[in-house]
Amino acid sequence: EAQVTQNPRYLITVTGKKLTVTCSQNMNHEYMSWYRQDPGLGLRQIYYSMNVEVTDKGDVPEGYKVSRKEKRNFPLILESPSPNQTSLYFCASSPIPGQGSYEQYFGPGTRLTVT
Amino acid sequence: GNSVTQMEGPVTLSEEAFLTINCTYTATGYPSLFWYVQYPGEGLQLLLKATKADDKGSNKGFEATYRKETTSFHLEKGSVQVSDSAVYFCALSDRSGNTPLVFGKGTRLSVIA
Repeated sequence: EAQVTQNPRYLITVTGKKLTVTCSQNMNHEYMSWYRQDPGLGLRQIYYSMNVEVTDKGDVPEGYKVSRKEKRNFPLILESPSPNQTSLYFCASSPIPGQGSYEQYFGPGTRLTVT
Repeated sequence: GNSVTQMEGPVTLSEEAFLTINCTYTATGYPSLFWYVQYPGEGLQLLLKATKADDKGSNKGFEATYRKETTSFHLEKGSVQVSDSAVYFCALSDRSGNTPLVFGKGTRLSVIA
């Protein structure tokens, strides 16, 4: 089954404790992206990657890191989480943009609480 | 830059009522347009899309027409069901390939029996 998986689905942590949220897709997509969803603000893009070893900042990259060492994986790293990073996070993937219209496939989400 | 504006919710309707969720966009060139739906506790999934002017996307009884002259892509359904309760996002993609998908802020729909 074609899918985007994220782990963990739920995480409660404390300020300053490094964490990683994993994202993996099995569709051989070049493009992957991370979003956060907050009430009243909709979806905001954190980082995206057009291919292996190619990453770019989205609208709200501060406090986050990403890496793209393999095509299928795109982990989101919070080196020193803070309470304002409490949010619902989504990973998404798609074929390379620009080649006709494309849709993004979303993971189920990770609800993160930082106390 | 590219942007999407959609009507604010929440929207509450009775079952079998007619639904319209307005969406307008600003973009250079000719973007592709999408509606995504997020059911409670789930990620977003594509509901329908249109890739050029006057195209009509449709799925599960929902429709939206790409109107270049009014830069709009309004979502409609003739008779909503309780199971349609969800958050709906309008989005566009710039065909240049360098611009990520741009989302509206979402509209929460609640359908009551």
